[in-house]
Amino acid sequence: AQSVTQLDSQVPVFEEAPVELRCNYSSSVSVYLFWYVQYPNQGLQLLLKYLSGSTLVKGINGFEAEFNKSQTSFHLRKPSVHISDTAEYFCAVVGGSQGNLIFGKGTKLSVKP
Amino acid sequence: ETGVTQSPTHLIKTRGQQVTLRCSSQSGHNTVSWYQQALGQGPQFIFQYYREEENGRGNFPPRFSGLQFPNYSSELNVNALELDDSALYLCASSLGLVSGANVLTFGAGSRLTVL
Repeated sequence: AQSVTQLDSQVPVFEEAPVELRCNYSSSVSVYLFWYVQYPNQGLQLLLKYLSGSTLVKGINGFEAEFNKSQTSFHLRKPSVHISDTAEYFCAVVGGSQGNLIFGKGTKLSVKP
Repeated sequence: ETGVTQSPTHLIKTRGQQVTLRCSSQSGHNTVSWYQQALGQGPQFIFQYYREEENGRGNFPPRFSGLQFPNYSSELNVNALELDDSALYLCASSLGLVSGANVLTFGAGSRLTVL
């Protein structure tokens, strides 16, 4: 069965600093990977997805992620964060024969002025 | 186009009661999935409905049940509520079964508190 591990439960960072949120997944023949963001009291919003092709994926709000098959990782990065990026970020993989999403436990990004 | 809407947004129940949560899918979407997000956890898959039939289920007991209607809206029913059922329940819709190409659109969720 597929699984996802988000290595950091909380990441504090100062405004305009770079950030990396780490995600590792269990290996499989084919992998579809996603990053979602959840702002307080809201549902999940898709940031970006990897299906195939280029290993560097660009998403909304200046975020990007790199698929690394050898390290089974899909880390999320942003070169300069804003206060408005404060939210919880979830890495997910399409799992099993049911095609449902399997989520990590989330990383809370806290951007401080 | 309208997004996914869920109701109610918040509700409080007591142990042993039953609850029904409702979801209207995004316009044009024919598949609805339900996820449970406990405090401090990532969402966990409950089940998925496609063309009014359950098509895939996660590790949840039978007291979690659902329906999908001809207009693709959906209900999640939970019987005999337990304290551990307290969570944010997220509904998501997609065009077709979930895969890499068919991305889920999530609603804002229904927060259930069981006392």
